Amino acid sequence: EAQVTQNPRYLITVTGKKLTVTCSQNMNHEYMSWYRQDPGLGLRQIYYSMNVEVTDKGDVPEGYKVSRKEKRNFPLILESPSPNQTSLYFCASRGPSQPQHFGDGTRLSIL
Amino acid sequence: AQSVTQLDSQVPVFEEAPVELRCNYSSSVSVYLFWYVQYPNQGLQLLLKYLSGSTLVKGINGFEAEFNKSQTSFHLRKPSVHISDTAEYFCAVKQTSGGYQKVTFGTGTKLQVIP
Repeated sequence: EAQVTQNPRYLITVTGKKLTVTCSQNMNHEYMSWYRQDPGLGLRQIYYSMNVEVTDKGDVPEGYKVSRKEKRNFPLILESPSPNQTSLYFCASRGPSQPQHFGDGTRLSIL
Repeated sequence: AQSVTQLDSQVPVFEEAPVELRCNYSSSVSVYLFWYVQYPNQGLQLLLKYLSGSTLVKGINGFEAEFNKSQTSFHLRKPSVHISDTAEYFCAVKQTSGGYQKVTFGTGTKLQVIP
């Protein structure tokens, strides 16, 4: 089954404690993205990747890092999380000129 | 640059009544258009897409949308809604050419179907 898998689904942590949200897709898609969803703001792109070792900033990249060492994986790293990064995060992948496939989301609460 | 406007943040409608969710976009280049649906505690699922051809596009669950280039709109419609249609709906645009072809989402419209 074609899918995008994110882990964890839920996480409560404290300010400053590094965390990683993993994302994996099994569709051999070149493009992968991370979004955050906040009430009234819709989805805002954090980072995207066009292929292995090719990543670029989206609209709200501050406080986040990503890596793309393998085509299927695109982890999101928060080196020093802060409360304003409390949000619902989605990973997505797609092929060229195709719609996005989304993961089920990761709800992060940073205290 | 491109942008998407969903003017209605919430739309309440009675069960079996028709509904229209509005989407307007702005772009200096040609775009593809999409509607996604998000059920509670789930990710976004593609509802329908306009790539080219007929301006009336039919999607899953009885939804349809019409692309109007002159009005830069892509409104979503359903002639008779069901309780299970309660969800948040997102309109999105994507450039048709260029390197990355960024996808831009609207802020979403919450459809509440009232029994």
